Order: sequence, then structure tokens, then C-alpha cells
Amino acid sequence: GDSVTQMEGPVTLSEEAFLTINCTYTATGYPSLFWYVQYPGEGLQLLLKATKADDKGSNKGFEATYRKETTSFHLEKGSVQVSDSAVYFCALSPSGSARQLTFGSGTQLTVLP
Amino acid sequence: DSGVTQTPKHLITATGQRVTLRCSPRSGDLSVYWYQQSLDQGLQFLIQYYNGEERAKGNILERFSAQQFPDLHSELNLSSLELGDSALYFCASSPRQGDGEKLLFGSGTQLSVL
Repeated sequence: GDSVTQMEGPVTLSEEAFLTINCTYTATGYPSLFWYVQYPGEGLQLLLKATKADDKGSNKGFEATYRKETTSFHLEKGSVQVSDSAVYFCALSPSGSARQLTFGSGTQLTVLP
Repeated sequence: DSGVTQTPKHLITATGQRVTLRCSPRSGDLSVYWYQQSLDQGLQFLIQYYNGEERAKGNILERFSAQQFPDLHSELNLSSLELGDSALYFCASSPRQGDGEKLLFGSGTQLSVL
């Protein structure tokens, strides 16, 4: 079945450092790929998405590129802020449908001032 | 508040008991989804309703049931609770059935079974 593997956390960075959170997936066909973010005490929010190979999703300075050849969707940000501290989830959906979302285990990011 | 509202935020109960979690979807959304987030299983899809009808089932136990009412709010009923049911239960909503991109989550109900 479909699965998503994320790098294990927690990840601790200093403000303005470069961030990479690795995500690889296993799925048949061409799934849609998502990154969700969960701030403390809140529900998950969609951060960015990509629906086909070589698409780049971007939002709030975060980027991720859909790489079919490596089945990856790594999340990057050039300069993190304290306010980026949260848990980040990589997810896939075979058809883009919400009911078929498969989530990774989440990566806790802490940014220190 | 036009977002997804879940009540209660925290629930502490004992094994063998039954609880009901409530969810009010974002205004205008017809689909409601329930997810369970636990340390060992991660975030798992439980069940989906669309405009009052069940549309999809995921890894939902037989001891669990849900429904969506005419006013579109939803309730998740958990019975014969076990220690392993302790988790964070999220409700999410979207305008239609397949809107993975427009999914909005509530802040969750933390269930502790003692």
C-alpha cells in the first residue's frame, strides 16, 4: 500500500539557518503530494502541495519539488524563524482526495533565537 | 469562528466507558473527516461523511461509530474504551468530497483513557 517516510526528528536549528526535512513516498501511479504544518495546540494546516512530477509547491518561504525519479518531496526553507517551530507532516493522496491521505509520522522542528 | 470547531478539547475517562466527540465543520463545508493521531500509529484516517451520508471508511474499529447530522455537525462515538484508544482525535472538513487541497483541520480532542 501507499506509505510516506519522513526523517525522524526532532530537528533543532538556530534562527536564519537552512532547513531540509526529507520525505520519500511509495505509491502506484501519480499521487498528489502535500506538506502540512501543525502549530502547538492547533490542527494541521496545508502548507504547500504539488500534483505532478517536477511541480514545485511553495508558501511562506517553504518549497518542495515533486521528484518522481527519486520518489521524494523534501521540504526546504532558506532561513527559518522562531515562528516556524511546529510539527511538519508529509502526505500523499492517490487522487488528491482528502479521504485517501496517507501521512508521514511528522517531524518536530524547533527554531532557537 | 468560521473554522472547524471540536469539543471537548480534553477528555479523561476510564476503560470500558463510552464517549462522544463533537465536530462543527467550517461554514459551507459538506464533508467531514475524522482522524486519529497516536504516538505509535501516527495520523490515521478513520471515516468520512458527506452531506449526512457515510462515504469512506479507513482504519476505524467496530467499537467506534460516527454520524453527520442535518445541520452538518458530526459526532464520533467511542465505546468500550481501552487504554490504547488514548489519542488525539481530529476532525477536518472540506467543501466537497474530493477536496484534499481545501481540507481544514480542527484543533483536536485529546482523549486519555485511564
